[in-house]
Amino acid sequence: EDKVVQSPLSLVVHEGDTVTLNCSYEVTNFRSLLWYKQEKKAPTFLFMLTSSGIEKKSGRLSSILDKKELFSILNITATQTGDSAVYLCAVVYGSSNTGKLIFGQGTTLQVKP
Amino acid sequence: NAGVTQTPKFQVLKTGQSMTLQCAQDMNHEYMSWYRQDPGMGLRLIHYSVGAGITDQGEVPNGYNVSRSTTEDFPLRLLSAAPSQTSVYFCASTPTGVETQYFGPGTRLLVL
Repeated sequence: EDKVVQSPLSLVVHEGDTVTLNCSYEVTNFRSLLWYKQEKKAPTFLFMLTSSGIEKKSGRLSSILDKKELFSILNITATQTGDSAVYLCAVVYGSSNTGKLIFGQGTTLQVKP
Repeated sequence: NAGVTQTPKFQVLKTGQSMTLQCAQDMNHEYMSWYRQDPGMGLRLIHYSVGAGITDQGEVPNGYNVSRSTTEDFPLRLLSAAPSQTSVYFCASTPTGVETQYFGPGTRLLVL
């Protein structure tokens, strides 16, 4: 059965802390791994990862994929209250032209002032 | 471009009632999909369409019907609503693969 598992499910930190969110997966015909941020509305795209060991970076956020161990991490440094959100990991898989998407449960991050 | 639009934003139904959630996009995207999001479950794919006249089932299709008569519209029908269908529903579209999906704002559905 294809699945994506995120950990932890929830996390509370203080501003300035660094957090690491985890995403592991088991799917057939892996194509790519996506990270989204969701703040009480539709998910917004953060990163797409297709190759192992290549870090994607955007400001204080970074992510890396390990296709051998089947996981990805999302790092957020110097957290701010605006980083409070649900972070979703999703894996694109399948052999069709478009692929299918399977999401993890999400990690709820709360950043306290 | 309005992007992906969904109506209504919020709806309350009684068990057994039927309704249609509307989804439209003005970006000429071929691929459209419907997801539901429940607490602690992430998003789960209900149905998707790779073009007008073509639809297929996703991970949780039971209780839902779809059709795709035009490129722009992809309505989701609940024929007989059940409390288990209480959820937030997101429609998405993409010009190519699902890696580049644009999500609509969501419809919050409560079935009593």
